[in-house]
Amino acid sequence: KNEVEQSPQNLTAQEGEFITINCSYSVGISALHWLQQHPGGGIVSLFMLSSGKKKHGRLIATINIQEKHSSLHITASHPRDSAVYICAVPMYSGGGADGLTFGKGTHLIIQP
Amino acid sequence: DSGVTQTPKHLITATGQRVTLRCSPRSGDLSVYWYQQSLDQGLQFLIQYYNGEERAKGNILERFSAQQFPDLHSELNLSSLELGDSALYFCASSVAVSSYNEQFFGPGTRLTVL
Repeated sequence: KNEVEQSPQNLTAQEGEFITINCSYSVGISALHWLQQHPGGGIVSLFMLSSGKKKHGRLIATINIQEKHSSLHITASHPRDSAVYICAVPMYSGGGADGLTFGKGTHLIIQP
Repeated sequence: DSGVTQTPKHLITATGQRVTLRCSPRSGDLSVYWYQQSLDQGLQFLIQYYNGEERAKGNILERFSAQQFPDLHSELNLSSLELGDSALYFCASSVAVSSYNEQFFGPGTRLTVL
């Protein structure tokens, strides 16, 4: 069964700073999810990636399958980016029917 | 808006009671997942249905059960409720059965057991 570690747990930064959140997992997988949870509780899927890099606006996600590691970057951070960012991978590596196992999340605060 | 709906938004009930949470997936999605988020355990996978059939089970208690109906909406039934069942319950949907597909989350149901 996969285990997920995220770092840092908490991050406070100033507006405009470049942000990096890291995720490591224990069992080889072919897809990893980055999620954003707003203070109100809603969860939004940011990325699902299986190799290389994906970019959406100011968000960039990278994954290294061999090293079992992924990073989420935020460029030109803004107070509206304040949220909890959660990394998730399939519980098992088979690629079939399966749920996700989640990291504990990174609580990000961007100060103006 | 993810296109996934959940009702009710909030539910307050007493220990020992039974409740039903409802989820409607995005149009065209056949998979429905149920997740529980509590302060001490974080997000945990409960169960997955695909096109009406149970396909994967996670940390779901025997007091909990779920089903997916022919119109693809799903219900999560929680019985003999305990204080520790207080949590946010999310459903998510995806187009296919594999967890290698993007999942779209509903707004959640906040359950409080008193």
